[in-house]
Amino acid sequence: NAGVTQTPKFQVLKTGQSMTLQCAQDMNHEYMSWYRQDPGMGLRLIHYSVGAGITDQGEVPNGYNVSRSTTEDFPLRLLSAAPSQTSVYFCASSYSAPGTSGLSSYNEQFFGPGTRLTVL
Amino acid sequence: ILNVEQSPQSLHVQEGDSTNFTCSFPSSNFYALHWYRWETAKSPEALFVMTLNGDEKKKGRISATLNTKEGYSYLYIKGSQPEDSATYLCAPTGGNSGYALNFGKGTSLLVTP
Repeated sequence: NAGVTQTPKFQVLKTGQSMTLQCAQDMNHEYMSWYRQDPGMGLRLIHYSVGAGITDQGEVPNGYNVSRSTTEDFPLRLLSAAPSQTSVYFCASSYSAPGTSGLSSYNEQFFGPGTRLTVL
Repeated sequence: ILNVEQSPQSLHVQEGDSTNFTCSFPSSNFYALHWYRWETAKSPEALFVMTLNGDEKKKGRISATLNTKEGYSYLYIKGSQPEDSATYLCAPTGGNSGYALNFGKGTSLLVTP
């Protein structure tokens, strides 16, 4: 299993450009999520999905769109990049959504390697 | 969004010292508490997911306890080693956070030889 993969690893954008950060997992996980990591702020949740066709907003969703057309993929779209979106982005997945019943290990999050994005 | 507090913010210990840090969270409608270990230039890795009041989990020299009634969890590292240097994150679920996992800002641990 490749686990959770993210592409690209690094990206530089100009203000106003759009791009999509890719995230894929091969573990048949139902739950996927996107976080951004900023100095002094920790990991902040952007969007999450509890299954194909279902997405919801996290703590900092503005400026980002997501979709979940398949179980495996959960892309994050920046429609018009801004310097405030300079960050490291992590995708994560788990067998079941946090807060749902079942073995607690089902909720353990598996993180991708991250994408470092700079917006000039 | 759940309000999560981790303390201390950072910690510097000598090799062989034992250490512990705290995660505080709202106790109402609690469901589960996650602990993750995050090494520099790597991705966070799960340590424990705890759900029951009084629960205690252990992985090698690292253990954690949970008090859901008062809303806190302790993470202990016995005989710290340089390879334990990392940021330790906790994240509760429950309340009105739905399926979201809200991380604290973490405790940064540095273990020097």
